[in-house]
Amino acid sequence: GAVVSQHPSWVICKSGTSVKIECRSLDFQATTMFWYRQFPKQSLMLMATSNEGSKATYEQGVEKDKFLINHASLTLSTLTVTSAHPEDSSFYICSASGGTQYFGPGTRLLVL
Amino acid sequence: EDQVTQSPEALRLQEGESSSLNCSYTVSGLRGLFWYRQDPGKGPEFLFTLYSAGEEKEKERLKATLTKKESFLHITAPKPEDSATYLCAVDLGGTSYGKLTFGQGTILTVHP
Repeated sequence: GAVVSQHPSWVICKSGTSVKIECRSLDFQATTMFWYRQFPKQSLMLMATSNEGSKATYEQGVEKDKFLINHASLTLSTLTVTSAHPEDSSFYICSASGGTQYFGPGTRLLVL
Repeated sequence: EDQVTQSPEALRLQEGESSSLNCSYTVSGLRGLFWYRQDPGKGPEFLFTLYSAGEEKEKERLKATLTKKESFLHITAPKPEDSATYLCAVDLGGTSYGKLTFGQGTILTVHP
């Protein structure tokens, strides 16, 4: 299957700071990438859909000014959590789609 | 409202004890149904895509089937390394093309 990477895999930050997470599709070009968050013992919740060269589409209840998404190329999308707070602590997972969604390994964010 | 429900929530098996996981869906349209495996602290790993009722896919000890209302993931003679959370997800197509709606998952534990 296709390979999707995420960086960093783990990040700890202070409340009020911003954190950037990168998602790369390594062996195929993805016109669409998705960002999810997952709380402990829960399933994946879609946050936003990212299309190369256009603005991201956010799911209801997701603050677009807080979770900034940039999809600069067919292999790279970034999620920036701005002014992070402890309630933003979660497991963030991206996926890249070429018809089937292939997921990255996830990024665990802990906001102190 | 579109819904994806997985059962059971958790399943404990002895090594070699075959069983099935269920994913039932109530959706307005179905482009495809996907099965993923997720290990703790990692992103989901793609297993199968099913597109139409009657379709079956197999991979090693796993076999996925699809009807008009549900999908089954059959596990034959499972091994401890099959322990994971199994997620099913549906792509509704149409204006939601490419977006996945996930079930809550089934936590499978296989004891040696």
